[in-house]
Amino acid sequence: NAGVTQTPKFRILKIGQSMTLQCTQDMNHNYMYWYRQDPGMGLKLIYYSVGAGITDKGEVPNGYNVSRSTTEDFPLRLELAAPSQTSVYFCASSPRGTQLNEKLFFGSGTQLSVL
Amino acid sequence: DQQVKQNSPSLSVQEGRISILNCDYTNSMFDYFLWYKKYPAEGPTFLISISSIKDKNEDGRFTVFLNKSAKHLSLHIVPSQPGDSAVYFCAAVSEGGSEKLVFGKGTKLTVNP
Repeated sequence: NAGVTQTPKFRILKIGQSMTLQCTQDMNHNYMYWYRQDPGMGLKLIYYSVGAGITDKGEVPNGYNVSRSTTEDFPLRLELAAPSQTSVYFCASSPRGTQLNEKLFFGSGTQLSVL
Repeated sequence: DQQVKQNSPSLSVQEGRISILNCDYTNSMFDYFLWYKKYPAEGPTFLISISSIKDKNEDGRFTVFLNKSAKHLSLHIVPSQPGDSAVYFCAAVSEGGSEKLVFGKGTKLTVNP
């Protein structure tokens, strides 16, 4: 059972570079999410999607973009990397979303450093 | 402004004893609460949840208690095992609050053999 798969696991970027964090799930979940976790802090929602073609902002969307062209994939794009984006990024999915009290299934994370 | 607070960054207990992890919240609109467990280099995994219409939910060694008037919930682990050593996150969501699950900062539990 693959579940939620994130790539890469680690990445170092230079300031101003761009990259895409990949996330794919094989559970046919409608809802997908991107969170970031800064050291010593809780997870904060960046963007989420309730289905293919539909995305919405979370708590900390600035500096990021997302797209959802298929049910399985939900990539996160950083256009102009900044040191403040150094964090661990988690992708998650859910069958029907937190509003219906569904739990989230998380990937193993991508550790990103911007230097 | 932290809406979900876990004021103890760490907790250390002996194997076989009870672990009690605490969580306070400020938003009275929260109506569903979850606990996630996270091992190093892994993503969080769901542990247990409770709806605001209940004051207790049990699943094996894990029990979550909710005190709505105090805006407080706690996670009890009995008996604690070394494999329970992890970071535990409390999270909350409100009906009509979109998909924004709000997490606390986490408590690192260490269970000593």
